[in-house]
Amino acid sequence: DIQMTQSPSSLSASVGDRVTITCRTSQSISTYLNWYQQKPGKAPKLLIYGASNLQSGAPARFSGRGSGTDFTLTISNLQPEDFATYYCQQSYNTPRSSFGRGTKLEIK
Amino acid sequence: EVHLVESGGGLVQPGRSLRLSCAVSGFFFEDYGMHWVRQAPGKGLEWVSSISWNSATIGYADSVKGRFTISRDNAEKSLYLQMNSLRPEDTALYYCAKETYSNSVRDSFYYGLDVWGQGTTVTVTS
Repeated sequence: DIQMTQSPSSLSASVGDRVTITCRTSQSISTYLNWYQQKPGKAPKLLIYGASNLQSGAPARFSGRGSGTDFTLTISNLQPEDFATYYCQQSYNTPRSSFGRGTKLEIK
Repeated sequence: EVHLVESGGGLVQPGRSLRLSCAVSGFFFEDYGMHWVRQAPGKGLEWVSSISWNSATIGYADSVKGRFTISRDNAEKSLYLQMNSLRPEDTALYYCAKETYSNSVRDSFYYGLDVWGQGTTVTVTS
């Protein structure tokens, strides 16, 4: 199984800040890495696929980087609606998958 | 517009069974891989199971393998999750989700899960 290590587990930031969330996998997954945003009481929303590709409709202040085992999600110029929980997901060993434990982004 | 609507959740005793359904509309269901993902109360997302467009390829998380069975009926535009031998740790909100691209795209799961239902709650308790 591919283990996902996401950090930090929580993060405090202010509107306008730039934040970075990290996801590390236990084995190389090329760029088979997706990022989701989830707000309380809502279903997750796909932000980034293939490690660095912005999903249609996702704001351009979200960006992803990485390949192999190390990946990052960066949010530039934080907006009030960005305070949520973020998850990474690997889609490398289809038909199986796994998620990171999540990063809760809170307002400072 | 694409819609996924889960149903079938409820309160059940340990060891019993439950069958979840996911009714879809707004896209060619028969062309898309589908997934179940769950979220225990106050916890993170856990991938549960996936099924390819033609049911030829199926996968399960280790935590449910041998107890849960995923299936689909393309004619009925429905996805199912048969859950047997339920345990308290199976208590969660269960989401169904579709892959972003159809089987016309090689390696379609590379592109993630772009549409999710609102979930159905399963509570396993004595």
